[in-house]
Amino acid sequence: GAVVSQHPSWVICKSGTSVKIECRSLDFQATTMFWYRQFPKQSLMLMATSNEGSKATYEQGVEKDKFLINHASLTLSTLTVTSAHPEDSSFYICSARDIRKGTYEQYFGPGTRLTVT
Amino acid sequence: DQQVKQNSPSLSVQEGRISILNCDYTNSMFDYFLWYKKYPAEGPTFLISISSIKDKNEDGRFTVFLNKSAKHLSLHIVPSQPGDSAVYFCAASASGTSYGKLTFGQGTILTVHP
Repeated sequence: GAVVSQHPSWVICKSGTSVKIECRSLDFQATTMFWYRQFPKQSLMLMATSNEGSKATYEQGVEKDKFLINHASLTLSTLTVTSAHPEDSSFYICSARDIRKGTYEQYFGPGTRLTVT
Repeated sequence: DQQVKQNSPSLSVQEGRISILNCDYTNSMFDYFLWYKKYPAEGPTFLISISSIKDKNEDGRFTVFLNKSAKHLSLHIVPSQPGDSAVYFCAASASGTSYGKLTFGQGTILTVHP
């Protein structure tokens, strides 16, 4: 149980284009989904928290107009990197949590490697 | 401001022996702690968690100890296996924060030698 998928697993795009990453909870309902970014040999940096049907909450320093997050259903959240630049190249990971369970465990997707050329 | 710290970047252990990974925190509001295991280019996998009302939680080969007065937790893996080689992250959360947001440590690379 508690399986989270991400698609695509890797993507290469040209500078100035937009890229959409999907995060799905496959066997549970995710009331809350989180988006992280990980730089090489560093920890996971939380970018934003999204709740089904409401606007995402962004962490300080994260541009909400650049990283668009949508959580339209209890099993799907999307992250769109708009007008991508090489500095946006990174490993993006989503996680999901069912807040109704009353525990704090987050279950992570396998991650998406984004390379902007 | 690193609220969760894993001061050992790496740990090397012989197969069959005990691995002890440590984590310190500074925020006294944290009341739930988790350990995750991560392989390169993959998402973290949940291992074990502990609430601040407990000082120990055990699951198979994994035991987490919490010392609230010292603001310190540790993960014990006994016996260690080569497949345990990975990066281990501790994470903490405070009830009442934004939907259970987790704060992660920097990670410790565990290498278990056959």
